[in-house]
Amino acid sequence: DAGITQSPRHKVTETGTPVTLRCHQTENHRYMYWYRQDPGHGLRLIHYSYGVKDTDKGEVSDGYSVSRSKTEDFLLTLESATSSQTSVYFCAISRDSHALSGANVLTFGAGSRLTVL
Amino acid sequence: GDSVTQMEGPVTLSEEACLTINCTYTATGYPSLFWYVQYPGEGLQLLLKATKADDKGSNKGFEATYRKETTSFHLEKGSVQVSDSAVYFCALSDRDTGFQKLVFGTGTRLLVSP
Repeated sequence: DAGITQSPRHKVTETGTPVTLRCHQTENHRYMYWYRQDPGHGLRLIHYSYGVKDTDKGEVSDGYSVSRSKTEDFLLTLESATSSQTSVYFCAISRDSHALSGANVLTFGAGSRLTVL
Repeated sequence: GDSVTQMEGPVTLSEEACLTINCTYTATGYPSLFWYVQYPGEGLQLLLKATKADDKGSNKGFEATYRKETTSFHLEKGSVQVSDSAVYFCALSDRDTGFQKLVFGTGTRLLVSP
């Protein structure tokens, strides 16, 4: 996993509760990403970060917020979880030297499976 | 906007059969193209990539050629193994978005039986 740890790996929660997923990397890369994976949709980008306190929205950012207070940690928060946010969430990092080029290759964590009842 | 279309699965093959998974794309710029693979219970990992037209990416016996004229990047393997059973995702990134936002297809599940 190239030093990427996601936690929790599995979580079941109820509609309306807040949820935070954590992505931790050990290699000090600037670029980090949160994707969600759903049947029939593949992977879709939620948010990404290009440095401490520097984040930007992806294509499915509504209902999600992120924070990056340290290089190694990228947090994804669902302020009030809904059933439509039941999904598998993947964190990814990008090697800095290629992040802004056509050679940008992502390395993914093992995923966090979230079920919202 | 950019998009990737890949064939529906599952694709079911016997060991040593030939594999082709079709992928076509729509992009406003000049994209880079990727195939990622996801084994059960794991995250995605890069299988191969191509960054310009006519480039051929290859890895672990898999190949794909960047065809600009047909906007395609089909994945091929001459002889599949049981261990190739996984979900395969075609993806692109585009200069217009600074190569930051990878766009993925919906994935194609491959099942290889002994």
